[in-house]
Amino acid sequence: GQQVMQIPQYQHVQEGEDFTTYCNSSTTLSNIQWYKQRPGGHPVFLIQLVKSGEVKKQKRLTFQFGEAKKNSSLHITATQTTDVGTYFCAGPYAGGTSYGKLTFGQGTILTVHP
Amino acid sequence: EAGVVQSPRYKIIEKKQPVAFWCNPISGHNTLYWYRQNLGQGPELLIRYENEEAVDDSQLPKDRFSAERLKGVDSTLKIQPAELGDSAVYLCASSAYRGYEQYFGPGTRLTVT
Repeated sequence: GQQVMQIPQYQHVQEGEDFTTYCNSSTTLSNIQWYKQRPGGHPVFLIQLVKSGEVKKQKRLTFQFGEAKKNSSLHITATQTTDVGTYFCAGPYAGGTSYGKLTFGQGTILTVHP
Repeated sequence: EAGVVQSPRYKIIEKKQPVAFWCNPISGHNTLYWYRQNLGQGPELLIRYENEEAVDDSQLPKDRFSAERLKGVDSTLKIQPAELGDSAVYLCASSAYRGYEQYFGPGTRLTVT
């Protein structure tokens, strides 16, 4: 079945440093979604990328979707303590009754030291 | 706009006991999802509803888990009997349509002793 893998599993940074997490799918994706889960919280939708090679920015966050639509990355510039949490990528199955079913990666846990 | 509502937030039960979780999705959202999240892992889909119809239930342990979504709005997920390995956070999410971004509720943290 479809697998979505994220690296690294953990990332510890000093406040102000940059952070990047990578997501790779075993199959081509119709789109990719990113979610953030704060400690003790629930996943919150951040963004969806649809087009091959697409790049989207949200303030200090930059999201990329690979040309082959099998990988994606999230880059945070100058991390802040508010960035702490687990970042998940999620890829949907395409076609048939499974369309819309998301497969989540295992997440990257980001800690930021002030 | 109110978010996804779940109850209870926490539940502690002994193994072999039954337990039920309730979810009220965002108004107007056709698609409802139940996920299980174990510590340090991403959410795993248990079942997805399109209105009242259950689809994508291949990960639902049907011998002990059941779910329903009456009238295409609220949903209930039940476990009977619970096992130690069922301890996890059970998340409900909804989306306007399948494939769209999902909005998660706060989850129910289940501990089976």
